[in-house]
Amino acid sequence: QAVLTQPASLSASPGASASLTCTLRSGINVGTYMIYWYQQKPGSPPQYLLRYKADSDKQQGSGVPSRFSGSKDASANAGILLISGLQSEDEADYYCMIWHSRSWVFGGGTKLTVL
Amino acid sequence: QVQLVQSGSELKKPGASVKVSCKASGYSFTGYAMNWLRQAPGQGFEWMGWINPNTGNPTYAQGFTGRFVFSLDTSVTTAYLQISSLQAEDTAVYYCARDNFAGGTSTLDHWGQGTLVTVSS
Repeated sequence: QAVLTQPASLSASPGASASLTCTLRSGINVGTYMIYWYQQKPGSPPQYLLRYKADSDKQQGSGVPSRFSGSKDASANAGILLISGLQSEDEADYYCMIWHSRSWVFGGGTKLTVL
Repeated sequence: QVQLVQSGSELKKPGASVKVSCKASGYSFTGYAMNWLRQAPGQGFEWMGWINPNTGNPTYAQGFTGRFVFSLDTSVTTAYLQISSLQAEDTAVYYCARDNFAGGTSTLDHWGQGTLVTVSS
């Protein structure tokens, strides 16, 4: 079982909100991890969006709009990237990442379609 | 502003070697570790490891020992990734990424534009 699991795809309408999940493998407690989120558009490198561990320990990437925010769902053992007020330019692949067992580990990514 | 500019695409035959460069500017090169990652076509990311810019000491992730070598030239603020005995499975976009370690937390906050290495006979 992968360390981080993300839905392969998600669709949402312009102006709506999208909630992207990153589920940690059973036995790995989301509460103890900083979750990092990246956006990648075709042909471009990943752009750092934000990191989130708790409301008291989080960071927005430089220049990243506040409509991108992070949270956790402890009951689902998952990190969440919430994008509000979706815009066409938000259409991209989104990856979560954690530092686990002395390695950076990535989820498989979610392709967000805005239509 | 922080910039990481990587060398151009490479086409190599199986068994050959390749050296990818990552030129850093806009920040103190020796103040931040440099990481290397790769993304195979249509796939997610694999972290390959990192190099300490002060000591030049590399740390390789599992699966990236032996054929992979990280190095630095601080005089030209450039990090290098060399891969030997290339295999078709090494076909990927290779990225360098700066580790911004602050307040006890690391963040890969700036990435190079990527270098496509294609291994094909």
